Amino acid sequence: TQLLKQSPQFLSIQEGENLTVYCNSSSVFSSLQWYRQEPGEGPVLLVTVVTGGEVKKLKRLTFQFGDARKDSSLHITAAQPGDTGLYLCAGDSGYSTLTFGKGTMLLVSP
Amino acid sequence: KAGVTQTPRYLIKTRGQQVTLSCSPISGHRSVSWYQQTPGQGLQFLFEYFSETQRNKGNFPGRFSGRQFSNSRSEMNVSTLELGDSALYLCASSHDQLTDTQYFGPGTRLTVL
Repeated sequence: TQLLKQSPQFLSIQEGENLTVYCNSSSVFSSLQWYRQEPGEGPVLLVTVVTGGEVKKLKRLTFQFGDARKDSSLHITAAQPGDTGLYLCAGDSGYSTLTFGKGTMLLVSP
Repeated sequence: KAGVTQTPRYLIKTRGQQVTLSCSPISGHRSVSWYQQTPGQGLQFLFEYFSETQRNKGNFPGRFSGRQFSNSRSEMNVSTLELGDSALYLCASSHDQLTDTQYFGPGTRLTVL
C-alpha cells in the first residue's frame, strides 16, 4: 500500500504569514496533484506536478516536486483568509488510481 | 458547463438499511470515481467506472457497489449500513482516465444512526 503523509495536520496562522505544508512518501509517484477543499464542497485541483524537481507557481502558492518524486511541498506567501481550507495531495502511482493524503487543515485568521 | 452534481446532499439512515447515492458527471466525461471521506481515514478510493464497466476498485467490502449508465451517470449503493459508514461520499468525473484532472461534486453527507 502506498501511503502519502501530510504534515502538519492542522495549521492556524494570522493573515500575512507565510507557511509550508508537506506531502511525503516512501514510494515514487509518476505525478502528484494538490487539491484544496472548502467546507461543504468537494476538492478542487490546484496543480499537477510531473517532473522531479519541478516548481510551479500559482499566484501566492508555490508547489515543488521532490527530485526523487517521493515528496512535495506547498508554500503559501502572505496567507489570506480566503486560503482557509483542507489541502490534499494525491499521488499517481501508475496503476490508474490516485492515493490521497489525509490533508492539512489551514485556518487563516484576519 | 455544469459541474458534477450529487444527490441527495444529506442522508440519515439507521443501521441495517441500505442507501443509493447518485452522481451526474460533467457532460462529456466518461470516467466516474467514488470516494469515501472521513476525519480519521481521509479520502479513500471506492471504485471507478468507465463506459458502464467497473475499471478500478479500492479496498472496501462487497456491501459497497456501484454502476454506471449509458449516459455516464453513476450510482453507488451501500447495503446493510454500519455506524462506520457515516462519511462524506464524493463523486469525481474526468474525461477519460481517473488520473486526468478530476472534478469533484459537493458530496453526499451520510449519517448512520
